[in-house]
Amino acid sequence: GAVVSQHPSRVICKSGTSVKIECRSLDFQATTMFWYRQFPKQSLMLMATSNEGSKATYEQGVEKDKFLINHASLTLSTLTVTSAHPEDSSFYICSARDRRTGTANTGELFFGEGSRLTVL
Amino acid sequence: SQQGEEDPQALSIQEGENATMNCSYKTSINNLQWYRQNSGRGLVHLILIRSNEREKHSGRLRVTLDTSKKSSSLLITASRAADTASYFCAFLNQGGKLIFGQGTELSVKP
Repeated sequence: GAVVSQHPSRVICKSGTSVKIECRSLDFQATTMFWYRQFPKQSLMLMATSNEGSKATYEQGVEKDKFLINHASLTLSTLTVTSAHPEDSSFYICSARDRRTGTANTGELFFGEGSRLTVL
Repeated sequence: SQQGEEDPQALSIQEGENATMNCSYKTSINNLQWYRQNSGRGLVHLILIRSNEREKHSGRLRVTLDTSKKSSSLLITASRAADTASYFCAFLNQGGKLIFGQGTELSVKP
């Protein structure tokens, strides 16, 4: 199957700093990528949908100024956690849609390995 | 909430026994998928069942889908200690978003 790479896999930062997480589709073009957040012992919660060349759409309750998403190319989306605080510590997972396998809404989704953010 | 519901939240069985997990959802779906996640790791895609399918098999996995009841089940037969993990259902809604259930934590004791 297609490969999605996420970087970094682990990051530790001080409170108040910003952290950028990258999500790359390695062997396909992804017009749509999704960002999820997962707290310990909980499920994945969809944060936002990242569309290439346009603004991301955020789920209810997710602060767009806190979690900046940029999808500047067909193979890269970035999530920047701005002014991170300890409560932002979480596992962040991206997924990318492979349009070759379906329509804009049904193309197969491939997940990155996740990025564990720890804010001290 | 759009999130799917799963039960049980936790399941502990002996090696060799079967494990059944259930998932319910509230919206119309394109397909429903099951994933496994080992502790602290990424997701592993197990199986996808389309909205016009009722049952699907893959190795020791059997998935059913009842769209009239908006529910799905995942059966793992002849479980192994290596099956210990969290299992999530996820449904693709009409807007193309993949929404996850709350998950079942499966523990298979050797």
